[in-house]
Amino acid sequence: AQTVTQSQPEMSVQEAETVTLSCTYDTSESDYYLFWYKQPPSRQMILVIRQEAYKQQNATENRFSVNFQKAAKSFSLKISDSQLGDAAMYFCAYIGLGGSEKLVFGKGTKLTVNP
Amino acid sequence: DVKVTQSSRYLVKRTGEKVFLECVQDMDHENMFWYRQDPGLGLRLIYFSYDVKMKEKGDIPEGYSVSREKKERFSLILESASTNQTSMYLCASSLLHQREKLFFGSGTQLSVL
Repeated sequence: AQTVTQSQPEMSVQEAETVTLSCTYDTSESDYYLFWYKQPPSRQMILVIRQEAYKQQNATENRFSVNFQKAAKSFSLKISDSQLGDAAMYFCAYIGLGGSEKLVFGKGTKLTVNP
Repeated sequence: DVKVTQSSRYLVKRTGEKVFLECVQDMDHENMFWYRQDPGLGLRLIYFSYDVKMKEKGDIPEGYSVSREKKERFSLILESASTNQTSMYLCASSLLHQREKLFFGSGTQLSVL
């Protein structure tokens, strides 16, 4: 079964600084997607960034970028120029495209942004 | 604006009660999902459905059932609520062949006393 591991239950960063959240995953599939979701106190899950496994280029969305290392099965999220509004729970998630195609989540990382 | 609506934001029930959590989506999505979210455990899939009257067990289906009588509505049922079912419940939906594009509701925080 596919698993997603986030080894940092909590992280903190100073406003305007850069922070990296870690994620590793385990799969035998070759075709899949990886995601980072943000869940602020409003509880609404917001898709931050998405990476297709077949793409070698790392995905970026404004201040958010990923470091996708397929061989190492690693998918970290870098937040640049951190803002107070970035404070939230961040979930790494995986979905395989060859099997049951269910989204599997990590346990989450709580990010605090200090002013 | 696309929407997944969960009928209750907060719910308090007593042990042994039958509980219904409702989820409605207005995007004509075939797939609908129920997740449970607990601190330190992330989101875990309870049940999902890819069509009306169809359902599949997720990773933690014990103690739950679901109903999908209409395409837009997916109900999670706790037949006899227990205190260990106190949790946040998140509903999500997607198109049939776009399971990677999931839309979430805002969650129902259920407390079973």
